[in-house]
Amino acid sequence: AQRVTQPEKLLSVFKGAPVELKCNYSYSGSPELFWYVQYSRQRLQLLLRHISRESIKGFTADLNKGETSFHLKKPFAQEEDSAMYYCALRSIQGAQKLVFGQGTRLTINP
Amino acid sequence: ETGVTQSPTHLIKTRGQQVTLRCSSQSGHNTVSWYQQALGQGPQFIFQYYREEENGRGNFPPRFSGLQFPNYSSELNVNALELDDSALYLCASSPGGSSGADTQYFGPGTRLTVL
Repeated sequence: AQRVTQPEKLLSVFKGAPVELKCNYSYSGSPELFWYVQYSRQRLQLLLRHISRESIKGFTADLNKGETSFHLKKPFAQEEDSAMYYCALRSIQGAQKLVFGQGTRLTINP
Repeated sequence: ETGVTQSPTHLIKTRGQQVTLRCSSQSGHNTVSWYQQALGQGPQFIFQYYREEENGRGNFPPRFSGLQFPNYSSELNVNALELDDSALYLCASSPGGSSGADTQYFGPGTRLTVL
């Protein structure tokens, strides 16, 4: 079964502190992993995907197949990072649906 | 470039009624996916359409049905509404291919409340 788990519903850190949003997945095969973000009053948008190995807005995420994890990290949090973050996987075979985790609400305190 | 649009923004229905939600895909996109997002949950895949054909379906009953039109816009229809159908319904479009293997761009959603 395909499943994405984000163990923290809420995460609060101070500005300038490091941030790590956890994501674990369950999938028998090679999925494609994503992080989506939703800022206040905005639509859901792609933040980054593992195959591009980019750093977007200072965020990075490394796919660890041994631990089946895809944690999102940023060394120095900024207030504008406050948002809802969703980890998602997509099968590279069959129906190309996105399977989302429950999401983590990140709050950056000044 | 025009983004994904959805209508209406909000909708209130009563149990047993039927509802139609609409989505206009982003320019140049021929694949549309629909998701249901209940309060406090992540989006759940309902189904996907590619060039007017259903291209994959999630774990939703047959009273959830859809259409895609030649201009790639799409409708989500829900019959015999239940209280648990209250949710935000998201439409996402992607550039194409039956594999749907491109980035999905989301619309703002339609908030459906069933009383």
